[in-house]
Amino acid sequence: EDQVTQSPEALRLQEGESSSLNCSYTVSGLRGLFWYRQDPGKGPEFLFTLYSAGEEKEKERLKATLTKKESFLHITAPKPEDSATYLCAVPGDNFNKFYFGSGTKLNVKP
Amino acid sequence: EAGVTQFPSHSVIEKGQTVTLRCDPISGHDNLYWYRRVMGKEIKFLLHFVKESKQDESGMPNNRFLAERTGGTYSTLKVQPAELEDSGVYFCASSQLAGGADTQYFGPGTRLTVL
Repeated sequence: EDQVTQSPEALRLQEGESSSLNCSYTVSGLRGLFWYRQDPGKGPEFLFTLYSAGEEKEKERLKATLTKKESFLHITAPKPEDSATYLCAVPGDNFNKFYFGSGTKLNVKP
Repeated sequence: EAGVTQFPSHSVIEKGQTVTLRCDPISGHDNLYWYRRVMGKEIKFLLHFVKESKQDESGMPNNRFLAERTGGTYSTLKVQPAELEDSGVYFCASSQLAGGADTQYFGPGTRLTVL
């Protein structure tokens, strides 16, 4: 079965302190990698899709990158409002189902 | 444009009772998915509808779970009878195209507690 592993499980940053989250995956053939943000009590909110190694996507302070084995979510000069759980997911063989990682819980302190 | 909606937001029931969760997908999305997150675990796939047809129900835990999507619009997920291990957050998602070709948009979830 496809596996998605995220690290670290939790990350505490000071406001303005840049860092990266990791998502590694084992799939027979990558059909896209999706990043979501989840706030407490809410559903996952779509951030990015990456389809091929070397691809990069940016949104405000977030930048997602993809290699053949893993993806990184870089957070530049984070603010407290960036605090959330960040999830990555990959589609299965038949595109029907997403396999999710356990998420990285990010806490940005002012 | 309205997003995916789910009802109820919370449900607390006794073991052995029945609960029905409802999901309204984004208008025009033929694909509808159910997922579940139990405490401390990752979000896991339950099943996938294309319009009113079940395409993949490989993630359904057992026959106490019944999902329907009559008319290809909203979907219901019934748990009967509920067991303690059914507690968790149930998410619904929808997409226009399947999986790798399109993004799945998630609802806010229904938190189910079985006592």
